[in-house]
Amino acid sequence: NAGVMQNPRHLVRRRGQEARLRCSPMKGHSHVYWYRQLPEEGLKFMVYLQKENIIDESGMPKERFSAEFPKEGPSILRIQQVVRGDSAAYFCASSPLQDMNTEAFFGQGTRLTVV
Amino acid sequence: AQRVTQPEKLLSVFKGAPVELKCNYSYSGSPELFWYVQYSRQRLQLLLRHISRESIKGFTADLNKGETSFHLKKPFAQEEDSAMYYCALSPYSGAGSYQLTFGKGTKLSVIP
Repeated sequence: NAGVMQNPRHLVRRRGQEARLRCSPMKGHSHVYWYRQLPEEGLKFMVYLQKENIIDESGMPKERFSAEFPKEGPSILRIQQVVRGDSAAYFCASSPLQDMNTEAFFGQGTRLTVV
Repeated sequence: AQRVTQPEKLLSVFKGAPVELKCNYSYSGSPELFWYVQYSRQRLQLLLRHISRESIKGFTADLNKGETSFHLKKPFAQEEDSAMYYCALSPYSGAGSYQLTFGKGTKLSVIP
């Protein structure tokens, strides 16, 4: 099991472009979580998804950000019309269940730089 | 809203010395607390959680609700303990690693 795979590892976008970040969960995991780490800050929860469903998006900015986890394929975090303040590390985690004994496994992150 | 504070950005100790990484939190309910570790060029991984009351790699952490702290301790530091350590809080007790809020992290450097 290769673990949670995120790609790309590094992404550079100009202001106004779109950024697409991909996350393939561990085999057998149907729960995906996205976190953002701004410079000099801790990771902050953005969104929790199960296959074809957004369960909790309370941490997502209201505009320009969206996430999906289709029936087939990776989870996608999409940022439209990026701005400099979107520059951050974006981490994805996955788990097989959502209960008190479940550990979420993290990917290595995607570093987004907006120039 | 919940908050996690790790007051030390960097902590350097000699090999064999005791280690204490501080973590304080603010949350009005009954949270779950975690410690995560990130070794050089590796992924963030769970070290321990307060509900399991385990000792992992010699590390322990006790939840002190009165002081709202969850400090990470090890009696004798090893070189392989050098890493970035993050304290994290989930507002949902019993919900596992859900909606975690992380501190800014403390970089532990163990001097040989």
